[in-house]
Amino acid sequence: QSALTQPASVSGSPGQSIAISCTGTSSDVGGYNYVSWYQLHPGKAPKLIIFDVNNRPSGVSNRFSGSKSGNTASLTISGLQAEDEADYYCTSYTSIITLVFGTGTKVTVL
Amino acid sequence: QVQLVESGGGVVQPGGSLRLSCAASGFTFSNYGLHWVRQAPGKGLEWVAVIYSDGGKKYYVDSVKGRFTVSRDASKNMMYLQMNGLRAEDTAVYYCARDCGPTNYQLDYWGQGTLVIVSS
Repeated sequence: QSALTQPASVSGSPGQSIAISCTGTSSDVGGYNYVSWYQLHPGKAPKLIIFDVNNRPSGVSNRFSGSKSGNTASLTISGLQAEDEADYYCTSYTSIITLVFGTGTKVTVL
Repeated sequence: QVQLVESGGGVVQPGGSLRLSCAASGFTFSNYGLHWVRQAPGKGLEWVAVIYSDGGKKYYVDSVKGRFTVSRDASKNMMYLQMNGLRAEDTAVYYCARDCGPTNYQLDYWGQGTLVIVSS
């Protein structure tokens, strides 16, 4: 099972919006709505920020939103803030009953 | 509140064994699937294994099949990862994580991780 493809890095200025793509296949992203996104700050446990493609857990800022089209999912961060600087990973359930992570994206706030 | 605490990491020689533990609290243990996820130094996150809420089904990433075994003990609210035949490429921080439900492969709570180093 190959990792889902994400851009290595994305950057933006405070207040801007950025989008992170997550490309898989019809056997994972394209085939199921069990797509989620995680935020990782150094030294801290990963945090779920989007589940079921476009749902936010309680307490997660509404500046984070998710979507999916075909085999590609996307995470959009609106109104970028300094605290959003972190690594972001997508995941998807797969047809072979496993979970696959994306390659990870480092978000830099300029 | 939901808490997951991993333990059991350490330094082990190639070919050796280690058992990781994950202590769960703050939720009804038998209602949720549990996962192991790892992150090698400087690398991305990699899913390792899942055990369903009733312990009846277990699935693994190909690279650990036949070497790692996941289990859970509902009487102790514990999950385990028995790792045999360890290789240098198994060096990583290992996280346990709770599924959002019995199993939908989305992870809503994570532990802080335990470091496994495989080295001679």
